[in-house]
Amino acid sequence: KQEVTQIPAALSVPEGENLVLNCSFTDSAIYNLQWFRQDPGKGLTSLLLIQSSQREQTSGRLNASLDKSSGRSTLYIAASQPGDSATYLCAVGQSGNQFYFGTGTSLTVIP
Amino acid sequence: EAQVTQNPRYLITVTGKKLTVTCSQNMNHEYMSWYRQDPGLGLRQIYYSMNVEVTDKGDVPEGYKVSRKEKRNFPLILESPSPNQTSLYFCASSPRQIMNTEAFFGQGTRLTVV
Repeated sequence: KQEVTQIPAALSVPEGENLVLNCSFTDSAIYNLQWFRQDPGKGLTSLLLIQSSQREQTSGRLNASLDKSSGRSTLYIAASQPGDSATYLCAVGQSGNQFYFGTGTSLTVIP
Repeated sequence: EAQVTQNPRYLITVTGKKLTVTCSQNMNHEYMSWYRQDPGLGLRQIYYSMNVEVTDKGDVPEGYKVSRKEKRNFPLILESPSPNQTSLYFCASSPRQIMNTEAFFGQGTRLTVV
């Protein structure tokens, strides 16, 4: 069974800093990997989707990479802002339409 | 506005009293699914539906039922709720299989079973 781990569980950084969030998974037979943002009291917002054949995806200040063979993905956030404060979740999609989520990294960007 | 709507947002109920959490999407999406989110465990898939009248079990289906009689609605049914079903529930939809396209999530339903 797929296990998805996100480290660290919580991260606090000063505004303007570049940061990296990590996601690891145990079974490399995945279709894709998505990064989501979750704000308190709200649902999840999809940030980036990487197909298994891709190495990275970029959207604005966000860059996600995928190394399927080593079971790792990173989410790079450039020039962090207080509005980036949220919980970030990664999820891997596998055969059978199964979708496995990590437990998330809670990010706080201090003004 | 494109959205996934869940109701209710908050619900407190007693053990054994049947309840339904509704989920509706206005994007004509084929794929819909339900998740529960628990501290330390992340989100776990309960059921999913590829299209009308097509549903399948996810990772934690025990104690839940679903139906997909129309494309826009995907209700989650707890026939006999128990305290271990106290959780935060999310409904999601996407144009096709969730693994190929962006997923849209509802705002969540916080359920407490006493």
